[in-house]
Amino acid sequence: KNEVEQSPQNLTAQEGEFITINCSYSVGISALHWLQQHPGGGIVSLFMLSSGKKKHGRLIATINIQEKHSSLHITASHPRDSAVYICAGTDKLIFGTGTRLQVFP
Amino acid sequence: EAGVTQFPSHSVIEKGQTVTLRCDPISGHDNLYWYRRVMGKEIKFLLHFVKESKQDESGMPNNRFLAERTGGTYSTLKVQPAELEDSGVYFCASSQGLGGSFYNEQFFGPGTRLTVL
Repeated sequence: KNEVEQSPQNLTAQEGEFITINCSYSVGISALHWLQQHPGGGIVSLFMLSSGKKKHGRLIATINIQEKHSSLHITASHPRDSAVYICAGTDKLIFGTGTRLQVFP
Repeated sequence: EAGVTQFPSHSVIEKGQTVTLRCDPISGHDNLYWYRRVMGKEIKFLLHFVKESKQDESGMPNNRFLAERTGGTYSTLKVQPAELEDSGVYFCASSQGLGGSFYNEQFFGPGTRLTVL
């Protein structure tokens, strides 16, 4: 069992839908990264958070350290949001397997 | 400002050959990390440099892998001799901050896709 688990593994949505990706971890971490990997392979850091909530545009990330759970929300999803979303826990980056999101027009 | 760059973008080699991957971090970033993703698996940590020193190399799979960061600028990851199971995408990332704190946001390079035949 991976120390960082994501769900769902695959997700399809229609443009405009509200999307939630979940991340649960079994190890003690101090902070958690949400990363986005585009079809071309490049990885972009979306958020790094250790408590509460962060918002950037249509993206919202929340974390509950006590419950060892984090969520990434995308409001008003768009086809350009299609990518693999990965959560990774610190201190040493331990990666989840990723959630492949496809948003159709 | 230039981001993290990696070279080459793709490399195809035969089993037993040697390959050297290069990572140029963002200028001024003291922390440099190497990660690897093999087919169907999650990304795994390989090692972490703080400037030219190896802070943590616990993720290096075996002694066929050698990482260097001479002068604390760019880093190289050499695989010698390469085996089939070394195939995957090798990512490099860098972050600011001294002391190797993982609390600093990491900026990733585009990765090098290595195929060992």
